[in-house]
Amino acid sequence: DTAVSQTPKYLVTQMGNDKSIKCEQNLGHDTMYWYKQDSKKFLKIMFSYNNKELIINETVPNRFSPKSPDKAHLNLHINSLELGDSAVYFCASSPRGGPNGYTFGSGTRLTVV
Amino acid sequence: KQEVTQIPAALSVPEGENLVLNCSFTDSAIYNLQWFRQDPGKGLTSLLLIQSSQREQTSGRLNASLDKSSGRSTLYIAASQPGDSATYLCAVGASGTYKYIFGTGTRLKVLA
Repeated sequence: DTAVSQTPKYLVTQMGNDKSIKCEQNLGHDTMYWYKQDSKKFLKIMFSYNNKELIINETVPNRFSPKSPDKAHLNLHINSLELGDSAVYFCASSPRGGPNGYTFGSGTRLTVV
Repeated sequence: KQEVTQIPAALSVPEGENLVLNCSFTDSAIYNLQWFRQDPGKGLTSLLLIQSSQREQTSGRLNASLDKSSGRSTLYIAASQPGDSATYLCAVGASGTYKYIFGTGTRLKVLA
C-alpha cells in the first residue's frame, strides 16, 4: 500500500527519557513534515524537510531534533522528555515541495508520565 | 500572519440533512486550501484540495467552495449519514511557504 507510515503508534515513557518516532513514505513525495496536535486538537507545524534539506523549523525546543536520511524518511528524536510533550505527533508528506496537498500518517500518541 | 477559523466548533444534526461547514482565513494570498476529516484516535484523511485559481471541487456528496477575496471556504455535505461523524479540518496552504495553517476544526455528529 502506498502511504505515510509512522512507528510507533503509541509511546508511553517517563520524564527525562529520550525517544524517537519514525516516519516513512512511499509516495515519491519530495517534502515531509512533522505536526503536533495538542489536547485541544489544534495542529501546528514543527519541521519540514524538502529532499533531505530542512526548510521549516518553527519555534520548537531544541530538545526536538528531526533527521532525514533520505527523502522517503523523516524521524523525530526528542531528548529529556517533559510532561508538556504529551501530544499526538503526525508525519505528513507532499509532492514537489510547497503546500501541494498533504498525505498524513496515522499519528503517534506520546504520553509522558 | 495567517489565521484560520472554523465555525461552528461543533454541530449535531439528524441523518439526511444537508449541512455546511465554514472556514475563514485572514490572508487571501493563499496557494490552495485542503479539507480533511479526522476520526477519533485516527489520522487525517484528505477530502478535497482546491487550488487558488479554482472556485470549487466536488467528490461524491462533498462539495467545497473557495472565495479568496472574502477569505472563506465552505464544505457542503449532502444527505448526511452517521458515518460522516468526525472532526473536519480546513488547512490553508500559505503562498511562498511550504506549510499549511490549520483551522480549529468542526466536530460533526450525525444522529441516526
